[in-house]
Parts: sequence; C-alpha cells; structure tokens
Amino acid sequence: QVQLQESGPGLVKPSETLSLTCTVSGGSMSSYFWGWIRQPPGRGLEWIAWIYDSGRTKYNSSLMSRVTISRDTSKNQFSLKLISVTAADTAVYYCGRHTYGIGLVYWGQGTLVTVSP
Amino acid sequence: DIQMTQSPSTLSASVGDRVTITCRASQTISSWLAWYQQKPGKAPQLLIYKASTLQSGVPSRFSGSESGTEFTLTINSLQPDDSATYFCQQYSSDWTFGPGTKVEVK
Repeated sequence: QVQLQESGPGLVKPSETLSLTCTVSGGSMSSYFWGWIRQPPGRGLEWIAWIYDSGRTKYNSSLMSRVTISRDTSKNQFSLKLISVTAADTAVYYCGRHTYGIGLVYWGQGTLVTVSP
Repeated sequence: DIQMTQSPSTLSASVGDRVTITCRASQTISSWLAWYQQKPGKAPQLLIYKASTLQSGVPSRFSGSESGTEFTLTINSLQPDDSATYFCQQYSSDWTFGPGTKVEVK
C-alpha cells in the first residue's frame, strides 16, 4: 500500500524559509506526478507545485516566485521550499501522488505549518 | 489560469435525500475533473475522476456528470457518513481546486 508522510518544522518565523519533505513508501516514484497542496485553517485547498517522473516541474503562478519543488528518487522523497514566508502561508501542507488522467489518489496526512515570530 | 467555482457553498439535507453540487470551470477542461471528499482533520479522498468515473471502493450512491464546462456531483440516498466538505479539481492545465461545498446531514 502506497503511503506518503510529510515532515518538517511546524513553526517558521516570518521572512524565513519553509522546508518540507514527503517520504513515499510502498511504491515507486516512477510514472507519477508528485505534488504539494496546502489548506489554510478553515479554508479551501490550494495547489502549490508538482514534479513529474522526468523531473519536469510546474508551479502555481501566484507562488512561483517563492517556491521550489525537488525530488530525490534514491531516497523516495520529494521536497518543497517556500521562501520569505508570511502569516498568510500558515496552513496544513499535504503531499500527494497524482496518476495521469485520474487525480490525487494518495495523500499524506498533512502537516500544520505555522508562521509566527 | 483556469478558475473553478462551486455551488452551493453549504447545504443541509436529510438522510435519504438526493443532493447535487455543481462545479464550473472558467474554460474548457474536457473531462479532466475530479471530486474529493474531506472530513475534518483528514486529507481529501478521491471519489470520482474523469468527471464521471467512480474511484474503486467508493459507494455507488456517488456519481458525476458533465455538460460543457459545468460538472455535477450527485449523492443519492444521503447517509450520515456523507457529512463532509466536497471539492472539485481540474487537472487539464496544472491543478486548480474549487472552493468547496460543506454538506451537513440532518
């Protein structure tokens, strides 16, 4: 069974960098899109970025100046970096596996990241 | 960027009712639309993909349809366990989620 697990600091100071890692178990990273999605408290879902098997990346246009997604297939991990964070970046951050033509079948449990001094 | 709207934002219905949620895309997305169910404190779960295909393991009371850029999620015979927030997502061009519909079962 495929499982995804987010990890990283739960508290980040304003203007600093948010860094998260998603560890994939129970399956290969090949032939899928791997993405990050966030959800501010009490609000809806916002796609942040995805990375494909080939290494190709895409970013939400509203965040692309601050975001980098990367992967380490040898460790079955992919990562998110978001620079210059503000309180508006406080959210539950999810990682997910998207199958072409289907959608996000597998999700991590989510990790709350709070931006606060 | 493709924008997604959803209506209603909330709805309340009784056990056994049929409910429908509508999602509209700002431009054509073919059938590249998914529906997710999210319960409080949990990650979303995929219900339907490619507008009308039921994901494995999802009860058959859930169904999806499309008409142009308008997509509908229908829940037949609403059950107490269906209390949740439902999101649509387009994956035709990058990914965009709708704002969500909160369903309360009376």
